[in-house]
Amino acid sequence: SAVISQKPSRDICQRGTSLTIQCQVDSQVTMMFWYRQQPGQSLTLIATANQGSEATYESGFVIDKFPISRPNLTFSTLTVSNMSPEDSSIYLCSGKTDSSTDTQYFGPGTRLTVL
Amino acid sequence: QKEVEQNSGPLSVPEGAIASLNCTYSDRGSQSFFWYRQYSGKSPELIMSIYSNGDKEDGRFTAQLNKASQYVSLLIRDSQPSDSATYLCAANFGNEKLTFGTGTRLTIIP
Repeated sequence: SAVISQKPSRDICQRGTSLTIQCQVDSQVTMMFWYRQQPGQSLTLIATANQGSEATYESGFVIDKFPISRPNLTFSTLTVSNMSPEDSSIYLCSGKTDSSTDTQYFGPGTRLTVL
Repeated sequence: QKEVEQNSGPLSVPEGAIASLNCTYSDRGSQSFFWYRQYSGKSPELIMSIYSNGDKEDGRFTAQLNKASQYVSLLIRDSQPSDSATYLCAANFGNEKLTFGTGTRLTIIP
């Protein structure tokens, strides 16, 4: 398994501003992912963070709104840009430690409120 | 579109009884399936993974997979109040990503 931490754990932001969320894993992971979980809903995959290259975004999510970096095998950032109240959500990163399985382990999440 | 479906519940079960959670998926080619538990305000925690048809047991938890029926379930024996949570079913559709169901909210009644 992997221990994943995220910073910040929560934040309250004004509309139009941007927030960068950090994700740190205690061991090398083969893949890292970013999810959004809106209140009372399930997890929606935003993108796969690729080490040293551009992230792979899911339908409905774009790089200009959610730029992602992954400079090495244990660290990634997600920026929520030009925020609006609709971006209020929990943002979760996950990591896959073993290329032979699909098991993902999740960080504790970042609870974002946009006013 | 590849989907995972769950009854959203809530599902209420008396303490000590068996809780049964069900999940269906749309892609017959799916190879791996997962059950996560999520307490309110917390992140998902892996309970079980299952890859082969049949049953897989881990303590009080049993995952059951039937690929022909495209059906995966989770049984929780001797349910405890601490089992009260939302249970998320997830499937891998062959692309290294997980697709999650909407989750079933389980309440164990003391």
